[in-house]
Amino acid sequence: GAGVSQSPSNKVTEKGKDVELRCDPISGHTALYWYRQSLGQGLEFLIYFQGNSAPDKSGLPSDRFSAERTGGSVSTLTIQRTQQEDSAVYLCASSLVGTSVYNEQFFGPGTRLTVL
Amino acid sequence: AQKITQTQPGMFVQEKEAVTLDCTYDTSDQSYGLFWYKQPSSGEMIFLIYQGSYDEQNATEGRYSLNFQKARKSANLVISASQLGDSAMYFCAMRIQGAQKLVFGQGTRLTINP
Repeated sequence: GAGVSQSPSNKVTEKGKDVELRCDPISGHTALYWYRQSLGQGLEFLIYFQGNSAPDKSGLPSDRFSAERTGGSVSTLTIQRTQQEDSAVYLCASSLVGTSVYNEQFFGPGTRLTVL
Repeated sequence: AQKITQTQPGMFVQEKEAVTLDCTYDTSDQSYGLFWYKQPSSGEMIFLIYQGSYDEQNATEGRYSLNFQKARKSANLVISASQLGDSAMYFCAMRIQGAQKLVFGQGTRLTINP
């Protein structure tokens, strides 16, 4: 398909385990974003990648969260030592980058993470 | 810091009626963009409409229009002739010039009744 894909669609894990969430952006999109959607916090920005530039990690909630983007394409969000408050839907988005403030972000279907 | 406020947690509307979803924003930046996204129960975020801060005319996309009142810092979404398929969560979001992230409001759950 031509859209943003994420895997797995659902992930159930036990507290204290590490999890990896994957995002495959739209081909040709140089910008990639991770957001978290939870009941208490709404939609929160986590991290942003643009080409080979250093990522903007300003939204990561703790040092248990990390992300990488390999080859300027696929990204993996890793949560170490998961806690119950990490339960949420993790959304990935990608976009073209230009000078205009208009910059539509295309979202994937999300990964629903449940920490027991 | 930017902030988006959506004051309507839930809205119930009869099919074929028009509906207005409220959004107010706060930023000190002069150049910014405002976005509306729809999130059906399936979970994907669907882009609906965009308004730039320097756009003089209100944006329209089919049945969607954005009532942009810059002085009041509001960017309400208007859906004309609502349909059952419009039932979903709706999010207002903002991006300022130079930043890449979107800042979202808390969302409004719209339910269209037959």
